[in-house]
Amino acid sequence: GAVVSQHPSWVICKSGTSVKIECRSLDFQATTMFWYRQFPKQSLMLMATSNEGSKATYEQGVEKDKFLINHASLTLSTLTVTSAHPEDSSFYICSAPGGPYEQFFGPGTRLTVL
Amino acid sequence: TQLLEQSPQFLSIQEGENLTVYCNSSSVFSSLQWYRQEPGEGPVLLVTVVTGGEVKKLKRLTFQFGDARKDSSLHITAAQPGDTGLYLCAGPNTLTFGKGTMLLVSP
Repeated sequence: GAVVSQHPSWVICKSGTSVKIECRSLDFQATTMFWYRQFPKQSLMLMATSNEGSKATYEQGVEKDKFLINHASLTLSTLTVTSAHPEDSSFYICSAPGGPYEQFFGPGTRLTVL
Repeated sequence: TQLLEQSPQFLSIQEGENLTVYCNSSSVFSSLQWYRQEPGEGPVLLVTVVTGGEVKKLKRLTFQFGDARKDSSLHITAAQPGDTGLYLCAGPNTLTFGKGTMLLVSP
């Protein structure tokens, strides 16, 4: 099946700094990608829909100025957590649709903010 | 917003036992998907059910979509330790996820 990669797989940063996470579709193009966050032992929560060439669509309660999403090409979407704080520590996962019923998920990025 | 309720939230069983996980909603879904997620990894698609009443089998896993397309179940026969993981059901385009069922199969 199609492959979605994420980089980095884990990152530790100091409070107040910004962190960029990349999501790439390796062997297919994705005009849309999705970003989720997942807390320990909980399910995935959709944060935003990333649209190639246009603005991202954010879910209710997600701060667009804090979680900046850029979908600059058909194979790359980035999520930047700006001025990160400890409460932003989480597992961030992206996905890209591979067909009408299929989503391919990245392996996730573990963010720890000290 | 279409909500998906999963039950049980946690299940701990011995190797060889059978189990069923449920995914229910008050809304009708055009399709439902089941994923399995291991710690520190992204979810992996197991199956997509589209037609009401549909039954799909994947080795020891049997998936069923309710006739009204509001619910689905996942049945595992003779569970093995390798089945351990978080099982998630999701609506179309994975915009909605159930809270998941954490399955632990002990040898």
